[in-house]
Amino acid sequence: QKEVEQNSGPLSVPEGAIASLNCTYSDRGSQSFFWYRQYSGKSPELIMSIYSNGDKEDGRFTAQLNKASQYVSLLIRDSQPSDSATYLCAVMITGNQFYFGTGTSLTVIP
Amino acid sequence: DAGVIQSPRHEVTEMGQEVTLRCKPISGHDYLFWYRQTMMRGLELLIYFNNNVPIDDSGMPEDRFSAKMPNASFSTLKIQPSEPRDSAVYFCASSLHRSSKFFGPGTRLTVL
Repeated sequence: QKEVEQNSGPLSVPEGAIASLNCTYSDRGSQSFFWYRQYSGKSPELIMSIYSNGDKEDGRFTAQLNKASQYVSLLIRDSQPSDSATYLCAVMITGNQFYFGTGTSLTVIP
Repeated sequence: DAGVIQSPRHEVTEMGQEVTLRCKPISGHDYLFWYRQTMMRGLELLIYFNNNVPIDDSGMPEDRFSAKMPNASFSTLKIQPSEPRDSAVYFCASSLHRSSKFFGPGTRLTVL
């Protein structure tokens, strides 16, 4: 079992809709959780981090963490074509263990 | 700050040649990471340094790969000899306190 699992997609949503990206992780000792966005041909860019159960909002982005169920999600409200990218979930288990998922490809259709 | 700087941005070489990738981390960051990204395997951690000291190199695929960090502002990843299966995008990233990583633009390596 992989440490971090994501649905590879592709996920397509119409412009203005809510995009929901999900990630599950295997180690209950995981401490910190991150979402990176990667445009085609570019490097990953950190967009959200979350450390405790619940929701964390930043503009149109909301990260949700449920440690009991071992999942973390990213909601993008009012999706824009510029949000089309691959979204990588990352989990830090301890200071020495940090894992990326394989990413979910999102396409926002104008 | 200019962010993480990597060079070269593109490298095309022939099998058997030595390849050296370079990275300048963000000033003040104490962690530096080398990742490799392919379509098949996604992002793979190769090695990381803390305060210029290699901490975990378990991701280095084999002895053909080596990495150094002679000072806080410079690191190299060397492949010798290179093979076609080494073709990938190699990212350098740096962070403060090993959490939120900032990635460089990457080096796209093609080994013919």
